[in-house]
Order: sequence, then structure tokens, then C-alpha cells
Amino acid sequence: DTGVSQDPRHKITKRGQNVTFRCDPISEHNRLYWYRQTLGQGPEFLTYFQNEAQLEKSRLLSDRFSAERPKGSFSTLEIQRTEQGDSAMYLCASSLDRNGYTFGSGTRLTVV
Amino acid sequence: KNEVEQSPQNLTAQEGEFITINCSYSVGISALHWLQQHPGGGIVSLFMLSSGKKKHGRLIATINIQEKHSSLHITASHPRDSAVYICAVLPSGSRLTFGEGTQLTVNP
Repeated sequence: DTGVSQDPRHKITKRGQNVTFRCDPISEHNRLYWYRQTLGQGPEFLTYFQNEAQLEKSRLLSDRFSAERPKGSFSTLEIQRTEQGDSAMYLCASSLDRNGYTFGSGTRLTVV
Repeated sequence: KNEVEQSPQNLTAQEGEFITINCSYSVGISALHWLQQHPGGGIVSLFMLSSGKKKHGRLIATINIQEKHSSLHITASHPRDSAVYICAVLPSGSRLTFGEGTQLTVNP
């Protein structure tokens, strides 16, 4: 297992476009988390899944954001009608229950 | 007030110095993580603590649950230790709450 993988590493998009990020967790991990980190700040929680169920969503996750984990394995995070304020590092992490928290390398989004 | 406070925000040291980064939190937790983030964004988990002390190479992490405080120490610091160090706590739920990080720069 190569850890938590995120794709793409970098994404530049024009304002108003939709973007989708992918996260592949550690295979035996049942929990998957999405966090967002803006420059100079610590990460902030967006949402998490246990298997395929989305159990918690932050109020930061506006209706332009949607996340899925259809088969309880990989997850996607989609942002519709991107805004400049969406520019950030999007981090994925996975764990087995509450153990073995492992982070991916992140996807850096720049909205121009 | 943030639930997780780190100090200092920025720290510059000379190679070989002993470094301490502090983390205080205001909520009950089941575990605390120390994380390292290099430029480019990837986060590496250094320690997960629920009590006492852990050591890995030149890194030592301690936690005092009663005082809601943790420290990360780096002995014999090296320029490759330069990174952002982030404290994150795990309350009763599943999601981590993060401090804002400490930017460490170790000069040769």
C-alpha cells in the first residue's frame, strides 16, 4: 500500500468552472476525511465518511461542494462554479476507526 | 479563542539547538497528533499521543491531559527539520481540530 493518494497535485482553473478531486485512502481504512487549508492557516474540517456513508459535513461545505465515496473506497470532492475564495490546499486523510490517521499530499487549487 | 493554540507561531534556530513547540487545547480529547508539513503541502504524522511521552529519533512529544497541554521537542536540530509543525486534537468525534501551526526555520 502506498499510503493516501490524491489526484491531481495541482489544479488551476478559471472562476466559474467545476473541478473534481480524487482521494484513494489506505485500502483497509474505513474512514476518509476531507480538509481544506488556506495559506498560513491550519487545516479545517470539511467532511468525513465511514465506509460509503457521509457522516458529518462542516458548514464550510457550501452547496457548491459535494463529496462522494460510492463504494467505500476512493472518494471525490467536487466544487461547482468555483470562486477565488476556493483557492486552497485540499487534504484527504484516512483512518481505521480512529487509528492510523494518514494524510495525503493534498491537491492545491488555484482559481484565477 | 481557538480550541487549539500553538506557540510560538514562528521559530528560528541555529543548527544543533534544542527546540520546543507548545500546544494548548481547551476541549476534552481522546488523542493528540503532532504533524509535520513541508513546503508543497503534504502532511506527515509524527506522533499520536493519549498520555505520557513518545520518542522517535530526535523527536520527543509529551502530553499532560490534566493541564491540556502538549509539547514537541527536537534535539540537535538540523536544517532539514525546517517545516511547519501542527498540533491537532481528536475530541470525542472523528475529526481532527488543528492548531495554526508553528513555522520552524533551522539555519546552518
